[in-house]
Amino acid sequence: GAVVSQHPSRVICKSGTSVKIECRSLDFQATTMFWYRQFPKQSLMLMATSNEGSKATYEQGVEKDKFLINHASLTLSTLTVTSAHPEDSSFYICSDVGPPKETQYFGPGTRLLVL
Amino acid sequence: QKEVEQNSGPLSVPEGAIASLNCTYSDRVSQSFFWYRQYSGKSPELIMSIYSNGDKEDGRFTAQLNKASQYVSLLIRDSQPSDSATYLCAVNPDTGRRALTFGSGTRLQVQP
Repeated sequence: GAVVSQHPSRVICKSGTSVKIECRSLDFQATTMFWYRQFPKQSLMLMATSNEGSKATYEQGVEKDKFLINHASLTLSTLTVTSAHPEDSSFYICSDVGPPKETQYFGPGTRLLVL
Repeated sequence: QKEVEQNSGPLSVPEGAIASLNCTYSDRVSQSFFWYRQYSGKSPELIMSIYSNGDKEDGRFTAQLNKASQYVSLLIRDSQPSDSATYLCAVNPDTGRRALTFGSGTRLQVQP
């Protein structure tokens, strides 16, 4: 299966600061990547679809000005949590999508703790 | 009605037994079906994919698909304590939107 990396794996920050998370597709060029968030003991929640060279598509209820997504190359998508608050503390996971048949491959995730 | 439904569990089976995980989906035009395993604190990893009616076997895992009944299952033979995890069923809704639709997952506990 495809290999997806994420950096950092864990980050602790102060309330009000911004945090950038990188997601890299290592096996193939990914025109589309996805960003998910998962709170403890809850399901994966799709936040947005990251499209190379164009604007991201956000799911209902996800603030696009707070969660900035950039997909400037075919192998890299970044998620920036702006002015982070404690309620943004969560597990953020990206995935790319590729063969066969639109299979999604997940990165290892980034655990964010906002103090 | 949720698009992909799974029993949240926990499903508890003794070591060596067969674990049977079930999933139903609502969109009849779905074509691709996936099972992911998620250990606590980790991201999901792909176990199996299935696209045609019938069974597909890979080692101790067998995926079963019945499109007429809109039902997909995962059997784990000779269950091991290391199989204890949450199993996520995912469906490609084939609506042009590329993101899979995930169920909420079934937690499996394999008792030693």
